[in-house]
Amino acid sequence: DAKTTQPNSMESNEEEPVHLPCNHSTISGTDYIHWYRQLPSQGPEYVIHGLTSNVNNRMASLAIAEDRKSSTLILHRATLRDAAVYYCILSNFGNEKLTFGTGTRLTIIP
Amino acid sequence: EAQVTQNPRYLITVTGKKLTVTCSQNMNHEYMSWYRQDPGLGLRQIYYSMNVEVTDKGDVPEGYKVSRKEKRNFPLILESPSPNQTSLYFCATSGQEVREQFFGPGTRLTVL
Repeated sequence: DAKTTQPNSMESNEEEPVHLPCNHSTISGTDYIHWYRQLPSQGPEYVIHGLTSNVNNRMASLAIAEDRKSSTLILHRATLRDAAVYYCILSNFGNEKLTFGTGTRLTIIP
Repeated sequence: EAQVTQNPRYLITVTGKKLTVTCSQNMNHEYMSWYRQDPGLGLRQIYYSMNVEVTDKGDVPEGYKVSRKEKRNFPLILESPSPNQTSLYFCATSGQEVREQFFGPGTRLTVL
C-alpha cells in the first residue's frame, strides 16, 4: 500500500482556517485520497475524499496537488469540535481497505 | 438514522474464555470490516467481508474468526482470547458505490 506522511500535531486558533498537509509521493494513478478524523472516545468519521480534482463538502475542502504527490485538508473555520486526530489515507479503486497511519492531532485554541 | 452498532461497548474477560463482539448495520451495505486500534499502531484491519458468505483476512487476523450469514451482521469471534488481544475494536461498513466508510462506536476489550 502506498504510504502517507503527516505532521504529528498541529495547533490552530478557533474560528480561523486550518490547513492540514499530507504527503503521498508514491501514490498510484488509481489511488483515492481519503481523510477521516477521530474525535476523542469515538470511532473514525469520514471527512472527504478525492481522486484528482479539488473537492468541497459541508465539512471541509480537499486540495490535491497537480502531481498528486501531496494534498491538503482545509477546515474553513475551525471550532472546538474540530479538535481530533486527522488521518490521510490512500486506497486503490475497488479496494475498500483503509490503512490508517498515526495521523495529525489537531488542537484548537479558544 | 444510519447506524453501526457494536455490543458490548466494554468487556473485561479472562484468558481462554470465548467471546463474541457483535456488529450490526442498518444501511444495507455490502462491505463490512473489523479493525483494532492500539496506541502508537493506529487502526489495523483484522477481517473484512465483501458480501454475505464472503470473508477474507486483513492485516492482523491471527486469533480471530468472523462470519457473515446475514448482510446486516458481522460478528467478531475470539475463540481463546489472550492478553495481547486487549484493544479497542471498531466495526466499519460501506456500500459498493460509496467511498465513505461508517464506523461503529468501538468496543474496548480487556483480557486478563
